[in-house]
Amino acid sequence: GAVVSQHPSRVICKSGTSVKIECRSLDFQATTMFWYRQFPKQSLMLMATSNEGSKATYEQGVEKDKFLINHASLTLSTLTVTSAHPEDSSFYICSARDGRGNTEAFFGQGTRLTVV
Amino acid sequence: AQTVTQSQPEMSVQEAETVTLSCTYDTSENNYYLFWYKQPPSRQMILVIRQEAYKQQNATENRFSVNFQKAAKSFSLKISDSQLGDTAMYFCAFMSGGATNKLIFGTGTLLAVQP
Repeated sequence: GAVVSQHPSRVICKSGTSVKIECRSLDFQATTMFWYRQFPKQSLMLMATSNEGSKATYEQGVEKDKFLINHASLTLSTLTVTSAHPEDSSFYICSARDGRGNTEAFFGQGTRLTVV
Repeated sequence: AQTVTQSQPEMSVQEAETVTLSCTYDTSENNYYLFWYKQPPSRQMILVIRQEAYKQQNATENRFSVNFQKAAKSFSLKISDSQLGDTAMYFCAFMSGGATNKLIFGTGTLLAVQP
């Protein structure tokens, strides 16, 4: 299957700083990428959908100025958590789908963010 | 809006036995897709099986099969000959066949396979 690489796998940052998470499709062109947040022992909550070259579509309740998403190329999307606070600590997962009508979404390994 | 419900937070099964995980969903659409994903302790999401709503035949992937009841909006997963490596969180997911194409996940079922 297709491979989605997410980096870093773990990051610790100080409160008030920003942190960037990268999501790359390694062997296919990802026209659509999705960003999820997962709290311990809970489900994946969709934060936003990004399409290459256009602005991301955020789910209700997600602050777009806090969670900046950029999908500048067909193989890379980034999520930047700006002015991070301890309550932003969570597990963030990206997934990608190619543009060929394939219904399967391929997931990255996830990033555990800890804000201290 | 579509919703996905998994009513079993935790399940346990003996190795080599069969277990069924339940999932119901709500939608007014006629064209959609249903999935079961596995999330082991590594937290990597792995696709287990998928079902197209327009197909009446239940999907099967080796030891994994589904019971898709479209009228009842039910989509259960049966795992046969359970193995220790099947221990994981299992998520049922819905995807519209329309333009949005986003996955909506259920709350998950934690399956423990006992030796």
